[in-house]
Order: sequence, then C-alpha cells, then structure tokens
Amino acid sequence: DIQMTQSPSSLSASVGDRVSITCRASQSISTYLNWYQQKSGKAPKLLISAASNLQNGVPSRFSGSGSGTDFTLSITNLQPEDFATYSCQQSYNTPYTFGQGTKLEIK
Amino acid sequence: QVQLQESGPGLVKPSETLSLTCTVSGGSISGSYWTWIRQPPGKGLEWIGYISSSGSTNYSPSLKSRVTISLDTSKNQFSLKLNSVTAADTAVYYCARRERSTRDWTNWFDPWGQGTLVTVSS
Repeated sequence: DIQMTQSPSSLSASVGDRVSITCRASQSISTYLNWYQQKSGKAPKLLISAASNLQNGVPSRFSGSGSGTDFTLSITNLQPEDFATYSCQQSYNTPYTFGQGTKLEIK
Repeated sequence: QVQLQESGPGLVKPSETLSLTCTVSGGSISGSYWTWIRQPPGKGLEWIGYISSSGSTNYSPSLKSRVTISLDTSKNQFSLKLNSVTAADTAVYYCARRERSTRDWTNWFDPWGQGTLVTVSS
C-alpha cells in the first residue's frame, strides 16, 4: 500500500494568514493526488484533483502543487470558513489511501 | 446534480453483518464507479472498495475477506455488506462516486454522501 503522510497534523493560524500543508507519498504517484476539506460532522469535500486542478466553485485562494512524492496545499488570505481538516488522497493505485489529516484551527 | 444518501442500521452487534445502501439521485448509476469509504471516530479516512456500473469490484486487501459491494441499477442504488464485524468497524460510512479524467486517467471522489454512523456494540 502507498502510505500518505501529512504535516503538520495540526496548525493554528489567523484570518488573513497564508498557510501550507504538505503531503508526502511513500512512492512516486505522479500527480495522482487529491485534496479534501472536511468540516466537523460533515462529509469531505473535494477541493483539488490531480495535484493542482481547482474544482469548480472552490475559491482561488486555494492552490495545490507538486508531483512525484511531495505535494503542497496552500491557502492564502485565510477566511473563517477555511478552518477545517484537510486530507490528501492518492489515486495512483488501489488500495486508495488518505493522509491522516491536518486540522487547521483559529489562533 | 448528483446526490448520494446512505441508509441502514446505526447499531450492529459484534459478529453480525453490517449492511448499508447508497441511493443515487439526480443522475444515473450507469457509467460511473461507486465507492465506500469509512472514518472511525477521530481518525482518518479509509477506502473500503468500489464497484463499476458493469458490476466489477475492487476491495481493500485489509477488508477483502469480509466485504461485498453490489449494485441495483433498477433502483439506482449500490450496497455494502461487511460481515463478522467487531468494535473496530465502528465508523462513519460514506458512499461516493469515483470520477476519472479521460485526459490523463487521474481520478477522485466526488460527490460524497453525508455519511452514516454505524456503531458495533452488543
């Protein structure tokens, strides 16, 4: 199985800040990497597919980059609604696997 | 706009079978791949498996011996059965559609159902 490791596990930031979350795969996965946002008690929501493709309706302050084994989700100008848990997921092969999640909290 | 909704018992006894159904509305179940994913309380997401609209399946090796995913195209539904459950199977269970790009074959899960909590307890 491909292991996905996110860092940090948690992050405190303020409205207006810029933050980055890293996801590392245990082997090369090209750009087969997706990012999801999950708010408390809700289902995950797809933000970015194929490492950098922003989904329709997702604010442009979100961006994704990377290929191979190292990927980054960046959020600029943090808004109150962005405080949530973010998870990466590899779709290179099955079993599909997720990172453990990064909880973004208000400072 | 496709929407998914999970349904099934919220409480299952140890050693029994967990059974859930996902109803797809706003679109046809044909032509896509349909997935189950779970999330134990306070933990990360775990992919369980998927079924294609033609009925082919792919399961996580860690659950393969206990899992069956099936399809009912007449009802626009797909289902999950997980047998011999233990407390470790307590989780929120989500159904989702697996979408795939025809340009580069990347794929992702979207949309998701709202999730249903299944507790394994006597």
